[in-house]
Amino acid sequence: DAKTTQPTSMDCAEGRAANLPCNHSTISGNEYVYWYRQIHSQGPQYIIHGLKNNETNEMASLIITEDRKSSTLILPHATLRDTAVYYCIDLRSQGNLIFGKGTKLSVKP
Amino acid sequence: EAGVVQSPRYKIIEKKQPVAFWCNPISGHNTLYWYRQNLGQGPELLIRYENEEAVDDSQLPKDRFSAERLKGVDSTLKIQPAELGDSAVYLCASSLLRGWETQYFGPGTRLLVL
Repeated sequence: DAKTTQPTSMDCAEGRAANLPCNHSTISGNEYVYWYRQIHSQGPQYIIHGLKNNETNEMASLIITEDRKSSTLILPHATLRDTAVYYCIDLRSQGNLIFGKGTKLSVKP
Repeated sequence: EAGVVQSPRYKIIEKKQPVAFWCNPISGHNTLYWYRQNLGQGPELLIRYENEEAVDDSQLPKDRFSAERLKGVDSTLKIQPAELGDSAVYLCASSLLRGWETQYFGPGTRLLVL
């Protein structure tokens, strides 16, 4: 079973920042936090990952708390195309992704 | 660069019939994964290959499911015979190496068993 917990759904206004929280209170010191998203009828798409430092790429920013028990994915300027299910995953040994149910983000005009 | 290719995209069969799914990973990717995704759930790993070796098939229902990755490139996942509960999306993913490498997913095959 997934070791992360996320809200079931969230809404965000187009053009505003979307902040998606994730709790991973049992994460081990060498486990990364990965974020993927899945747009309707497509396969999951990698967004970003991090260990303990905050990370930013062209898609999003990842903020990890100092105790590593939680993180927030930030989409700085959400668009309608960002409507998707967002999965927060702690990558265990052997590199197997364990997906939960994720957060269904709806970006509204 | 071409992504992960899967075929067919959709398949409708009657229960007890066999079915096969095909996956062509990204060129040069040594690790290949098959996932199953039930409606409203996240994907669940069925099997992971490193080159042609199945290194993790603990979640593959071996009584009816089989998979192969000949020559360490393309892969086929088969179900024989299919049951109603096998209706799901079957996703293939690949990565350069296992472990911390990013996985790239194909669009999936949507299977409906009647």
